[in-house]
Amino acid sequence: GAVVSQHPSWVICKSGTSVKIECRSLDFQATTMFWYRQFPKQSLMLMATSNEGSKATYEQGVEKDKFLINHASLTLSTLTVTSAHPEDSSFYICSAREVAGGTKNIQYFGAGTRLSVL
Amino acid sequence: GQSLEQPSEVTAVEGAIVQINCTYQTSGFYGLSWYQQHDGGAPTFLSYNALDGLEETGRFSSFLSRSDSYGYLLLQELQMKDSASYFCAVINAGNNRKLIWGLGTSLGVNP
Repeated sequence: GAVVSQHPSWVICKSGTSVKIECRSLDFQATTMFWYRQFPKQSLMLMATSNEGSKATYEQGVEKDKFLINHASLTLSTLTVTSAHPEDSSFYICSAREVAGGTKNIQYFGAGTRLSVL
Repeated sequence: GQSLEQPSEVTAVEGAIVQINCTYQTSGFYGLSWYQQHDGGAPTFLSYNALDGLEETGRFSSFLSRSDSYGYLLLQELQMKDSASYFCAVINAGNNRKLIWGLGTSLGVNP
């Protein structure tokens, strides 16, 4: 089945530092990848949609200069949280959709990254 | 605006059948998906409906009525491992076919 690898799974950093999170589709090509944020016991909040070779589309209220997204290849997208602050502490999850995604538009999810900013 | 409603919590016993309802109000509907998420884990795809009717996948089935903007997920022969959160999500017909997520239903299965 389709596997999405997300690293790191845990990261603790000091306030003001930047953190990069990688999302890789291991056995399929993903034209589109999505980045979500999830607070405990809550739903997934879409932050941005990343298309290979083009600029990411950010959801309303998400600061594009704060959350930098790069989708340089059909198997890799990265999210960089710049100058992280404690309020950025959260669970970040990526997902990927196959190039030939068929009609079901299934998104395959990474295991998530738990970010703690001290 | 766009919104999805589903119950926040459901409890059942092993072996029982549970139905989780989802009503939606969105623009540009393409299809309705269901995902399962265990605590601390990643969401996993369960089922999808684009047309009216029932889709069956093993113990899980999903139903859609586009005219009623309503769907449900049916879980049969419940097992303890089914305790998780279940999300309905509308696939938006616009660019990128992004998912609009419900708030999730926490299912607890008791022995």
